[in-house]
Amino acid sequence: GQNIDQPTEMTATEGAIVQINCTYQTSGFNGLFWYQQHAGEAPTFLSYNVLDGLEEKGRFSSFLSRSKGYSYLLLKELQMKDSASYLCAVGGHNQGGKLIFGQGTELSVKP
Amino acid sequence: DADVTQTPRNRITKTGKRIMLECSQTKGHDRMYWYRQDPGLGLQLIYYSFDVKDINKGEISDGYSVSRQAQAKFSLSLESAIPNQTALYFCATSDSPGQGPLRWTGELFFGEGSRLTVL
Repeated sequence: GQNIDQPTEMTATEGAIVQINCTYQTSGFNGLFWYQQHAGEAPTFLSYNVLDGLEEKGRFSSFLSRSKGYSYLLLKELQMKDSASYLCAVGGHNQGGKLIFGQGTELSVKP
Repeated sequence: DADVTQTPRNRITKTGKRIMLECSQTKGHDRMYWYRQDPGLGLQLIYYSFDVKDINKGEISDGYSVSRQAQAKFSLSLESAIPNQTALYFCATSDSPGQGPLRWTGELFFGEGSRLTVL
């Protein structure tokens, strides 16, 4: 079976940095994904980690430790538009390409 | 135009009715998926298909069926809708390893969602 755990909600201030954690237990792991979902909209892809370490993409970075079953998404220079739900998902080739999602972390960015 | 299109976008129906949600894509991807999302919850996989002849159950397939009519079309049916199937439904696509020129990531491309209410 698989289990993915992330905080339900977080609040941060505009211009600050926030880290959203995700822990997982899964068999056949081959990749960890982060998606962003604004209310009422479809999720959009943010990042993909298959090897340990940090992947940086602009204001967003994602980290993976496979031995610890742990990932985080780091958002820098927060903007109001970053208020959204952030979904952690595991899956990949070894699991047939399908993704299993966590429940999502609702991030509120305050002025 | 959207690459992944879902119809209808909103539907209200009654318990016991048969409902079909349709999904079509112009991305040329082999793989298609149906997910449902309930308020405050993540996405749960209902069914997925890796090509026209390949259909697989996901985490919560009971009460649902699917049909892959062509590479570009994947429909989800509720044979006899019940209130706890009220949810937001997403269709998604992804390419297959080696299908494209870039490093394969398994990224999902989602449709805009179909909001279903069963009374």
